[in-house]
Amino acid sequence: DAKTTQPNSMESNEEEPVHLPCNHSTISGTDYIHWYRQLPSQGPEYVIHGLTSNVNNRMASLAIAEDRKSSTLILHRATLRDAAVYYCIPQAGGTSYGKLTFGQGTILTVHP
Amino acid sequence: GAGVSQTPSNKVTEKGKYVELRCDPISGHTALYWYRQSLGQGPEFLIYFQGTGAADDSGLPNDRFFAVRPEGSVSTLKIQRTERGDSAVYLCASSLRAGPDTQYFGPGTRLTVL
Repeated sequence: DAKTTQPNSMESNEEEPVHLPCNHSTISGTDYIHWYRQLPSQGPEYVIHGLTSNVNNRMASLAIAEDRKSSTLILHRATLRDAAVYYCIPQAGGTSYGKLTFGQGTILTVHP
Repeated sequence: GAGVSQTPSNKVTEKGKYVELRCDPISGHTALYWYRQSLGQGPEFLIYFQGTGAADDSGLPNDRFFAVRPEGSVSTLKIQRTERGDSAVYLCASSLRAGPDTQYFGPGTRLTVL
């Protein structure tokens, strides 16, 4: 499994953009980059994933470096509900690989 | 629609006892996963099923842990001779297929072994 490095914690103010970085220098060419988040006392929830191109959805944007050794999750306007632990997870492609390998993640605090 | 449900939400047991934790996946999802999360840590993979069969059980810590999914839907995680170190939140997730499909997690079962 590819190793990931994320900041232990980050802080933001409400309605400001947040950029959450992740280094995954050992990622293989076929690994997808997934982001999940976990709100307090809940199970993780999917945020976004990508392979090579930048991706956007209603929750966030994912910017993937050209060499794929790093990525950045972008929350365009943080809300109090976005306070959570954010996990960056490289995952092997193909139907035979299902497990997610979670690291420590980044604890995001959002101030009103 | 209904998400992944897990029962019980909390389970307190004594050291040495046997426990069963149940997971009801999203209807139609063929892949089901079990994870375990200790306090302050990220979830740790235990096992995943594709249909009725365990496709990868490499995360089960020892032979006290066993999981089944006899009809390809509901799954039960079974822990024999529980130890205090088994105390954790046990999370279940399901996805439409195995592989890089989105996994949908349940709220977890908090297991406390006294």
